[in-house]
Amino acid sequence: GAGVSQSPRYKVAKRGQDVALRCDPISGHVSLFWYQQALGQGPEFLTYFQNEAQLDKSGLPSDRFFAERPEGSVSTLKIQRTQQEDSAVYLCASSLAAGLGQPQHFGDGTRLSIL
Amino acid sequence: AQRVTQPEKLLSVFKGAPVELKCNYSYSGSPELFWYVQYSRQRLQLLLRHISRESIKGFTADLNKGETSFHLKKPFAQEEDSAMYYCALFMGGTSYGKLTFGQGTILTVHP
Repeated sequence: GAGVSQSPRYKVAKRGQDVALRCDPISGHVSLFWYQQALGQGPEFLTYFQNEAQLDKSGLPSDRFFAERPEGSVSTLKIQRTQQEDSAVYLCASSLAAGLGQPQHFGDGTRLSIL
Repeated sequence: AQRVTQPEKLLSVFKGAPVELKCNYSYSGSPELFWYVQYSRQRLQLLLRHISRESIKGFTADLNKGETSFHLKKPFAQEEDSAMYYCALFMGGTSYGKLTFGQGTILTVHP
C-alpha cells in the first residue's frame, strides 16, 4: 500500500466495552509502534514490535491494553473494559528496521471516544 | 527521565517574517532529535532530523547540547507552513527507536 493504514478511523464505544484497533504497516517494514495521543498532547509511546515479537510494552497504561502482531505484519491494539480516560487518538507507525537511520511512517490514527 | 518541552502552544507570524519554534530536551545520553509536522487533515510526517544537517522546505534546526535545545527556524515563513509541529527525541540503546514527543506548537502564518 501507499502507507500505513489504520482502521477504523473513528470509534465510539460505551464505557466498559472492549475495542480493537487495526494497523496495517507498510509492506516489508519490520518495526511497528503504537502511540497514544490525548487531546492537546503529543503522541506517547505504548508498545513496539519487531516482526511478531513484542519487544517493548513499557508504555501500555494498564493491563487492559493488549497488542499483538501474530504474523509480523498487521497489528491489533485491544483495549478491554474501556474507560473514559482511554479516549484519544491511537497512532500506528512502522519503519523498515529499528534504530535511528530508519524514519517512522505514521498512519492517520484511530480516534477513540468512550462515552 | 527523558523529556521534550515545547514552551509555545501557539505561534503566529505574518508571511515573510522569520519564525522560530522552540524545543528543549532533557536526556542523560547522547540525544538524537527530530521535527515532525502535521498539516491540516494530513498524517504526521517527518520534517527533518538533526543528524542529516539538512534544510527541508526552508527549515533548519541546530542541536545545541550546551543549552539542550533543538529549535526549528525558517527565515521567511510562508502560509503553507501553517501546521502543528512536534519536536521528538530518539533514545538509542534498547529503546528500539521509540520517540518521545513534545506537546507540539501550532504555527499560523497570516497573509
